[in-house]
Amino acid sequence: GAVVSQHPSWVICKSGTSVKIECRSLDFQATTMFWYRQFPKQSLMLMATSNEGSKATYEQGVEKDKFLINHASLTLSTLTVTSAHPEDSSFYICSASTGAGQYNEQFFGPGTRLTVL
Amino acid sequence: DAKTTQPNSMESNEEEPVHLPCNHSTISGTDYIHWYRQLPSQGPEYVIHGLTSNVNNRMASLAIAEDRKSSTLILHRATLRDAAVYYCILRDLADSGYALNFGKGTSLLVTP
Repeated sequence: GAVVSQHPSWVICKSGTSVKIECRSLDFQATTMFWYRQFPKQSLMLMATSNEGSKATYEQGVEKDKFLINHASLTLSTLTVTSAHPEDSSFYICSASTGAGQYNEQFFGPGTRLTVL
Repeated sequence: DAKTTQPNSMESNEEEPVHLPCNHSTISGTDYIHWYRQLPSQGPEYVIHGLTSNVNNRMASLAIAEDRKSSTLILHRATLRDAAVYYCILRDLADSGYALNFGKGTSLLVTP
């Protein structure tokens, strides 16, 4: 099956710093990548959708200037949390789809746990 | 996406079958029924999907009611590694390029 990786798997940072999370599709080209956030004991909440070579589409309530998304290639999307604060501590998960075929399956990364002190 | 209703939690003994229900009374004719699961501290993984007929794969079986207003994910022999949150998600084929909409899911506890 298709594999999506995320790096780092966990990160601890000080309040006010920026953190970059990478999402890679290892064995397929992903025309679309999605970023989700998951707080403890809660479900996944979609943050944004990114298509290769174009600007990301953010969900309502997600600050685009705080959560910068870059999808510069068909195998890499990055999420940068700028000026992180403790309330940004969460589990960030990306998913990728090929955009091809009748059933457009999404493949999920293993997630990145961000802790902001 | 049409709404789904799942029990918050279920418990099963190891090596016994598990039936995870999902109600979707407002399902439309073109909605596919998808199941994903999320193991602790991991990203979700695809389990199975179907439209009208029952489906089987190496992970599970999906039984779909004749009126399609409910479905059941069947794990034939639960193992400790099956302890996860299981999500039942409806998605129209036309929306296949869009993100999956996760509800609260069912947290499955498997005891030895």
